[in-house]
Amino acid sequence: EVQLVESGGGLVKPGGSLRLSCAASGFTFSSYSMNWVRQAPGKGLEWVSSISSSSSYIYYADSVKGRFTISRDNAKNSLYLQMNSLRAEDTAVYYCAREDGGSGSYYKVWGQGTLVTVSS
Amino acid sequence: SYVLTQPPSVSVAPGQTARITCGGNNIGSKSVHWYQQKPGQAPVLVVYDDSDRPSGIPERFSGSNSGNTATLTISRVEAGDEADYYCQVWDSSSDHYVFGTGTKVTVL
Repeated sequence: EVQLVESGGGLVKPGGSLRLSCAASGFTFSSYSMNWVRQAPGKGLEWVSSISSSSSYIYYADSVKGRFTISRDNAKNSLYLQMNSLRAEDTAVYYCAREDGGSGSYYKVWGQGTLVTVSS
Repeated sequence: SYVLTQPPSVSVAPGQTARITCGGNNIGSKSVHWYQQKPGQAPVLVVYDDSDRPSGIPERFSGSNSGNTATLTISRVEAGDEADYYCQVWDSSSDHYVFGTGTKVTVL
């Protein structure tokens, strides 16, 4: 079964750091670009970051650029998001998602999400 | 940055047709994808590449894209179709993925 499982969410103070993980199974992880997408409480979906299969291409939303770092370990079938200098507006459920298709990709596989709460 | 605009809500009676629009500058030149999200759940892809359906998605879900508007059409709406729907594209000019503002579909 194709599966993505996020972990690492929790409560953190403003200015703090957190590292999210996403464990992939049931498919050849190293063949796919991967993404993080977030959703603030009661709000819409927001793309956060993307990393290509070999980590050659990395992109960030303007709202997190310079504060968040996406990475992956293909040997461990894992995706990561290092989040620094966290702000209240970073509070959201964070989903990892697998890219499918070529250019103009879509997300066919999603994790269940992990909640990050930034509050003092 | 590229913006995708959706109506906040659409209401439809069971058995009728719901149409959800996604407006963007020359969106017809991009591949548009649509997601359904029910409360407390992760999004589910319902249409990709403007009009293709993933396996397991009913034929009642269809899509089109032309000019400045993409449309998701849900035919013969059922109570189980009540959810939030989001469009999504890749903006090559900024190397960003973009989601629409989202539309809540209510089945009357």
